[in-house]
Amino acid sequence: AQKVTQAQTEISVVEKEDVTLDCVYETRDTTYYLFWYKQPPSGELVFLIRRNSFDEQNEISGRYSWNFQKSTSSFNFTITASQVVDSAVYFCALSEPDSNTGNQFYFGTGTSLTVIP
Amino acid sequence: DSGVTQTPKHLITATGQRVTLRCSPRSGDLSVYWYQQSLDQGLQFLIQYYNGEERAKGNILERFSAQQFPDLHSELNLSSLELGDSALYFCASSVRDRGLQETQYFGPGTRLLVL
Repeated sequence: AQKVTQAQTEISVVEKEDVTLDCVYETRDTTYYLFWYKQPPSGELVFLIRRNSFDEQNEISGRYSWNFQKSTSSFNFTITASQVVDSAVYFCALSEPDSNTGNQFYFGTGTSLTVIP
Repeated sequence: DSGVTQTPKHLITATGQRVTLRCSPRSGDLSVYWYQQSLDQGLQFLIQYYNGEERAKGNILERFSAQQFPDLHSELNLSSLELGDSALYFCASSVRDRGLQETQYFGPGTRLLVL
């Protein structure tokens, strides 16, 4: 079973629209971390956020916001007033402790966002 | 520019060969992570070092090994290369602020092509 599911493979929006990228995770641990990363067409990876499991406060950073809901095991990412520069593949990831190998990271398959001017 | 450097940027080699990928973290960052991104497997975590010690191990094959040196740079060694090892290899370094919030900074990646 997938530890991190990003059900939306591709999304297209028109510039200035809001868009939400979904992320559902699976873990039995009470302590874990959730991440979002951005990979623009140029190929580099950009870290966006790390959230620990004990902090369910929503996070806002400029036009980006994240909604963490333990009850639904979701960590959704919303871009407000999207811009062309937001076009990228976005990855959600989970890190959970492993007694044998330390923290383990699991990535979703990514959501490709295209913002149309 | 993230401040993390990776060399080489591109590498073309043959099956059965051995290569070494190098990562220099941002000044002062003690943690280094290695990731692999391939078309087949997607993004995968390989291994993490913290101040010279292995901290976490992910889907790293036995043919692969890594280390972090006293100057904190890290090397990822890939041996007995197979076609399926063709991928983009990223390294990242991280720092924690006083609030224990961790930020990762990624290098530009090394694109490995095994022929």
